[in-house]
Amino acid sequence: DGGITQSPKYLFRKEGQNVTLSCEQNLNHDAMYWYRQDPGQGLRLIYYSQIVNDFQKGDIAEGYSVSREKKESFPLTVTSAQKNPTAFYLCASSISMGVGTGELFFGEGSRLTVL
Amino acid sequence: AQSVTQLGSHVSVSEGALVLLRCNYSSSVPPYLFWYVQYPNQGLQLLLKYTTGATLVKGINGFEAEFKKSETSFHLTKPSAHMSDAAEYFCAVFQNTGGFKTIFGAGTRLFVKA
Repeated sequence: DGGITQSPKYLFRKEGQNVTLSCEQNLNHDAMYWYRQDPGQGLRLIYYSQIVNDFQKGDIAEGYSVSREKKESFPLTVTSAQKNPTAFYLCASSISMGVGTGELFFGEGSRLTVL
Repeated sequence: AQSVTQLGSHVSVSEGALVLLRCNYSSSVPPYLFWYVQYPNQGLQLLLKYTTGATLVKGINGFEAEFKKSETSFHLTKPSAHMSDAAEYFCAVFQNTGGFKTIFGAGTRLFVKA
């Protein structure tokens, strides 16, 4: 079955440590996204990538970094510079940013707790 | 700038009652409109979408929504709530002009009472 796989599902880290969240898709989608979800705030866009080896900052990119070396993979690193990293992180993909309706396909999410 | 407003962060209904979740948007051009549903500790999944054509859109699990351009609304309804409908619902707007971006509302958590 095609879909998006995020790992790990739950992650605990100490303050000051960098952590990397994995996102893999087998939908053959060009565009991939990372969102952060906090209670009562909806989804906020961290980074997005329209094509391999290219990515753009979203609305809340500070303290995060990404890479897009393969079409299928879009890992997110939460760095120690992120002041409040505890959140639920969602990876998504769409066929292409410039074509189609913009329908998003989501992974199951990764919950990061910083102790 | 686009925005999406969902009226009511929490809505509570009795099982079997009508579900109505409100969504209003601002957009300078006709947008594509979506409702997504999220169950606890899971990702979002598409409930239904409006792109073009018929303004009454039917989705999964008996939900439907009507695009009303004059009111800039896209309210979600279901005639009879079921316990399994308890979840968080997000309205979203996408425009493929001037920057391809999806804007989400803050979400409405639906509670269903037995």
